[in-house]
Amino acid sequence: NAGVMQNPRHLVRRRGQEARLRCSPMKGHSHVYWYRQLPEEGLKFMVYLQKENIIDESGMPKERFSAEFPKEGPSILRIQQVVRGDSAAYFCASSPGQGDGYTFGSGTRLTVV
Amino acid sequence: AQSVAQPEDQVNVAEGNPLTVKCTYSVSGNPYLFWYVQYPNRGLQFLLKYITGDNLVKGSYGFEAEFNKSQTSFHLKKPSALVSDSALYFCAVRYNTNAGKSTFGDGTTLTVKP
Repeated sequence: NAGVMQNPRHLVRRRGQEARLRCSPMKGHSHVYWYRQLPEEGLKFMVYLQKENIIDESGMPKERFSAEFPKEGPSILRIQQVVRGDSAAYFCASSPGQGDGYTFGSGTRLTVV
Repeated sequence: AQSVAQPEDQVNVAEGNPLTVKCTYSVSGNPYLFWYVQYPNRGLQFLLKYITGDNLVKGSYGFEAEFNKSQTSFHLKKPSALVSDSALYFCAVRYNTNAGKSTFGDGTTLTVKP
């Protein structure tokens, strides 16, 4: 079992470009979560998805950010028109059910230049 | 709203000594409580969880945690620290009325010195 796979590991974007972060959950896990970790800070919840549904997006900025988890393929976190403040580590996690601990991916480190 | 606090940014212990990393949570329903560890440039790894039942929970790498309802705490402990335990530790809370989302503390950096 390959665990939670995130790619790319590192992503550099110029201001105004789009960033696409991908996450493949562990086999058998239907719950996917995205968190953002800013330097020297903890993890901040962004969005919780199940297949084809957004369950909770209360942590997502209202503009420029979107997420999906299609029936086929990985979950995608999309950031349009990136700004320097978007530079952070973005972690995806998955779980088989609501009462279970998360399995985290290794994260995507986004740098906006 | 659910929340969790880790009152110490940093904990330093000598190798072989017992260690405690503190965590308290806000009261709202029945909490699910978790501990995770993060090594540099890596994702978080699950250590242990409390859902219900015995207040003392045992997890990976010799760690354990005690759920204390009266003090709303879930401190992480280990009887004898190793240098390799040095890492960033996160406490997290989830409520069974909330569909899956966990709220994480700000983390505590544990340093174990030889």
